[in-house]
Amino acid sequence: GAVVSQHPSRVICKSGTSVKIECRSLDFQATTMFWYRQFPKQSLMLMATSNEGSKATYEQGVEKDKFLINHASLTLSTLTVTSAHPEDSSFYICSARGFQNEQFFGPGTRLTVL
Amino acid sequence: QKEVEQNSGPLSVPEGAIASLNCTYSDRVSQSFFWYRQYSGKSPELIMSIYSNGDKEDGRFTAQLNKASQYVSLLIRDSQPSDSATYLCAVKDQAGTALIFGKGTTLSVSS
Repeated sequence: GAVVSQHPSRVICKSGTSVKIECRSLDFQATTMFWYRQFPKQSLMLMATSNEGSKATYEQGVEKDKFLINHASLTLSTLTVTSAHPEDSSFYICSARGFQNEQFFGPGTRLTVL
Repeated sequence: QKEVEQNSGPLSVPEGAIASLNCTYSDRVSQSFFWYRQYSGKSPELIMSIYSNGDKEDGRFTAQLNKASQYVSLLIRDSQPSDSATYLCAVKDQAGTALIFGKGTTLSVSS
C-alpha cells in the first residue's frame, strides 16, 4: 500500500515553455501533498504544501506564479513550471501524507530545461 | 529556524557490521520522527517511523529516540552492500504538516 506515482519521470523542454508534473496517490486518499525540489548532492527542499480544494502554501523564496500547484482531488496534485529556464532544471519529487503523518514519496521527475 | 542536523559522511562500514546513523533536531516540540533511504537518482523511501522515547525495531533496522537530548538514531545490523545509500532524517512538529529534512548521511557498505 501507500503508493505514489509521478508522471512524467523525465522531461526535457526548451527554455520558455511550461511543464506540468502530475502526482497521484494510487491506493489512499491524500488531503495533503507536498512538492520538493532536489539539486545534485543536496537535500530535499520543500517548495509548497498542497491541500485538496484550497490554495497551496508556498515556502519562502518560491515563486507561486512560476510554480503553479493544483490539488483538484484527493488523489491528484499537479505542479506546473511556467516559463521554465535552465536554472529550473532539477529533480522534482512529490509526496503524499499518510494516515500517521508519514510521507510517501513519488519516484520523482527529472526536469532538464535547455 | 527549525533545523535537523546530520553528519554528511560518508560513513563506511564493512559488510556484516552495524552502521549507526545519528540525527539531532532543534525544535523541542517535535513529535514524529522518520528515517528515509535514498538511492542515487531515486526518491526517498520510508524505512522507519518513531514517535515515543526508546527503541523501535523492524528487521535489521532499529530506530532510537531520546526527546530529552533531541536525538534520534538509526542502527542497521548486518549491513549489506545494498544498504549503501543516503539516509535522511526527518522531523515533524506538532503544529506543522510538512516534514523537515536533514541533509542526509551517505552510507557505504563494502563487501
